[in-house]
Amino acid sequence: DTAVSQTPKYLVTQMGNDKSIKCEQNLGHDTMYWYKQDSKKFLKIMFSYNNKELIINETVPNRFSPKSPDKAHLNLHINSLELGDSAVYFCASSQDIGTRAYEQYFGPGTRLTVT
Amino acid sequence: GESVGLHLPTLSVQEGDNSIINCAYSNSASDYFIWYKQESGKGPQFIIDIRSNMDKRQGQRVTVLLNKTVKHLSLQIAATQPGDSAVYFCAEGAQTGANNLFFGTGTRLTVIP
Repeated sequence: DTAVSQTPKYLVTQMGNDKSIKCEQNLGHDTMYWYKQDSKKFLKIMFSYNNKELIINETVPNRFSPKSPDKAHLNLHINSLELGDSAVYFCASSQDIGTRAYEQYFGPGTRLTVT
Repeated sequence: GESVGLHLPTLSVQEGDNSIINCAYSNSASDYFIWYKQESGKGPQFIIDIRSNMDKRQGQRVTVLLNKTVKHLSLQIAATQPGDSAVYFCAEGAQTGANNLFFGTGTRLTVIP
């Protein structure tokens, strides 16, 4: 059983397009995250959601909009894609604050290529 | 073999040898430190964590050492195996309401059979 799943695994699109990446976790976790990993493997947090509420937005352009329809899903919508958005995007989840919040479970990643 | 984290992002060791991966962290207020392993084409995977009030913690074949004086963290892998080949990240976080983890640059470990 897949704990954290993302779709699609690969996404190739042109500049200016709008795209979405979906994420689902079946671990019963309350907190979900989006990370961006660049070509040098640098991993940086973008958003953090707890019980469907945004708790962190780490200076991400407003072209990126996370949406959490329920506790098990956190989707990432990107408007007006730019070349610099090319990266691997990881979704993750963890138990609630105060427990093992730092033990995050990552999805397999979505490789976004903007041409 | 040893790495010095940001200055030597790659580390090659012979199978069966011990590996030491080093990490320098920046925030003296961090409450916990975590090591993640990322295999090729996969997401990072939690390995082990250590709280700021500890200086050593052991897991299965892994030991994490924390030196708060010099803001240094290390991951020791005993009897390194080919399956240990991956990029290893240290991460730091604070016990706040944000659950944010800030990841280091990463060190690529290659195990030579």
